[in-house]
Amino acid sequence: QVQLVESGGGLVKPGGSLRLSCAASGFTFSDYYMTWIRQAPGKGLEWVSYINSIGIIIYYADSVRGRFTISRDSAKNSLYLQMNSLRAEDTAVYYCARAKIADRPPDFYMDVWGIGTTVTVSS
Amino acid sequence: SYELTQPPSVSVSPGQTASITCSGDKLGFKFVCWYQQKPGQSPVLVIYQDTKRPSGIPERFSGSNSGNTATLTISGTQAMDEADYYCQAWDSSIVVFGGGTKLTVL
Repeated sequence: QVQLVESGGGLVKPGGSLRLSCAASGFTFSDYYMTWIRQAPGKGLEWVSYINSIGIIIYYADSVRGRFTISRDSAKNSLYLQMNSLRAEDTAVYYCARAKIADRPPDFYMDVWGIGTTVTVSS
Repeated sequence: SYELTQPPSVSVSPGQTASITCSGDKLGFKFVCWYQQKPGQSPVLVIYQDTKRPSGIPERFSGSNSGNTATLTISGTQAMDEADYYCQAWDSSIVVFGGGTKLTVL
């Protein structure tokens, strides 16, 4: 069945780095946009970044631009998030999600979500 | 930047109709979707393109979007519908979430 499994979360000190991975299965990974969304403890959902099916269209939220890098490897059916210069406010559960997108009219929504991986930034 | 506003909480009695709103400038000109998130679980898409239900989502979930407000309606609300609900839209290539609404069924 369609599945997304994140990994790579953990405890890291402020200023440190972490690389998250998301393994996709059950669908043709190279056909879809993919996204990262995070949720700080007790807070709402926050979009982080998305990447198009071939990796050339990429957008970031202002809060992470310049520190985080999204990428994908279709040969491995995997999505990645390289997180540098981590801050306490980056502490959250990070979800990867499959996205569906249309241009006319503009439409973007996430129809499959992973289970999430927890990132804690603390000294 | 574009903003979506949801009420923090909504309460409903079992069997009654719950309505959760999502407000944004000229929101009716954009597609809106809705996610349900139960404690300790990942979000689940319940409505997309304003009114469509993904496979497996009960018919009691419906959506509308007009003017500046989108609405998620749950008819005949059940205890299992108690959850956080988030609206989401796409503006200028940026994904925008509402702040979320906690639905309490009591």
